[in-house]
Amino acid sequence: DAGVIQSPRHEVTEMGQEVTLRCKPISGHDYLFWYRQTMMRGLELLIYFNNNVPIDDSGMPEDRFSAKMPNASFSTLKIQPSEPRDSAVYFCASNLNGRSSYEQYFGPGTRLTVT
Amino acid sequence: GENVEQHPSTLSVQEGDSAVIKCTYSDSASNYFPWYKQELGKGPQLIIDIRSNVGEKKDQRIAVTLNKTAKHFSLHITETQPEDSAVYFCAASSHPYGNKLVFGAGTILRVKS
Repeated sequence: DAGVIQSPRHEVTEMGQEVTLRCKPISGHDYLFWYRQTMMRGLELLIYFNNNVPIDDSGMPEDRFSAKMPNASFSTLKIQPSEPRDSAVYFCASNLNGRSSYEQYFGPGTRLTVT
Repeated sequence: GENVEQHPSTLSVQEGDSAVIKCTYSDSASNYFPWYKQELGKGPQLIIDIRSNVGEKKDQRIAVTLNKTAKHFSLHITETQPEDSAVYFCAASSHPYGNKLVFGAGTILRVKS
């Protein structure tokens, strides 16, 4: 399997612009997670889905952030409008709900820079 | 909510020596404790995990110990090698199937050859 795929790998945008990050989870996985990593706040869970349904979005920082999962093989994280403080590495992860393993498989991340 | 503290923030060891990283957590309901390794430019990768019904788990050179009474857990790496150099994160979860992980701040491990 190719693993979790994220695009783009790098994104540079100006303040006020809309940014869309994309994720393709590992085939067959039923959970999908979005994380944000910064030096100040570390690795934070933003939202997670089970079978395409958002389960917990308590980590989403504010209304400018939204996430969708229209089908089992695709998810997006959108920031509108973007601000410089949104600059971070955004990771998508997926796993298969199983009794034997709780491992989350992370993608390579999208490095977002908002100027 | 859960709070996970991790120490030290940086650790330098000589190749072949052991490395120990410690974490404490605040939520007594937490029952799943994974350790992730992150190499430069990559996403975190699980290296070992432990659940609250186990006190210690070992996988080759890596071991994790858990003390639920004291609410702390530790990662032990023996016979360190240069390829062990990376950032290590501990995490804790009180949710089913380990969802909603709360991560520690990370430890930069440098193995000097």
